[in-house]
Amino acid sequence: AQTVTQSQPEMSVQEAETVTLSCTYDTSESNYYLFWYKQPPSRQMILVIRQEAYKQQNATENRFSVNFQKAAKSFSLKISDSQLGDTAMYFCAFMKPQGGSEKLVFGKGTKLTVNP
Amino acid sequence: KAGVTQTPRYLIKTRGQQVTLSCSPISGHRSVSWYQQTPGQGLQFLFEYFSETQRNKGNFPGRFSGRQFSNSRSEMNVSTLELGDSALYLCASSLGRERSTDTQYFGPGTRLTVL
Repeated sequence: AQTVTQSQPEMSVQEAETVTLSCTYDTSESNYYLFWYKQPPSRQMILVIRQEAYKQQNATENRFSVNFQKAAKSFSLKISDSQLGDTAMYFCAFMKPQGGSEKLVFGKGTKLTVNP
Repeated sequence: KAGVTQTPRYLIKTRGQQVTLSCSPISGHRSVSWYQQTPGQGLQFLFEYFSETQRNKGNFPGRFSGRQFSNSRSEMNVSTLELGDSALYLCASSLGRERSTDTQYFGPGTRLTVL
């Protein structure tokens, strides 16, 4: 079974600075997908970024980028120019393609606080 | 396009009762997945429905069940509620295409409290 580990339960960063959230996973699969989801205090889970394992290029979405190290099974999220609205729980998630019937396996989450 | 909607947003029940939660997916999405979120266990997959059929199931007891209707709306039911069923129940929808891994988009959740 796949497992996802987020080793930092809580982190804080000053507004405008850069922060990196760590995620490692365990799988024997060669083809899979990785995600970062954000859950602000309002509770709506929002997709931040998605990475396909077969792609060597790291995914980026505006201020959010990932460092995907397939051999090390590491998938960290970098947030640049942090904003107060980035305060949220961040979940790393793994998905193994199953012909359309996929399920997400989540890490325990990292609570990020952006301070003014 | 409207997002995933879940009703009700909050629910209080007592032990032994049963509850039904509803989820309406994004228009055009045919797959609906359900997750349970608790402080202790985190986010855990319950089940996934596509074209009114359960395609995937997590490791939960039979008290947890679901169904999907022809318009892709889904309901989940929990019978004989236990205190440990108190959680945020999240629904997620995706296109659900067989030869593609589609991103799941989440609803706001239903907060269930069992007293």
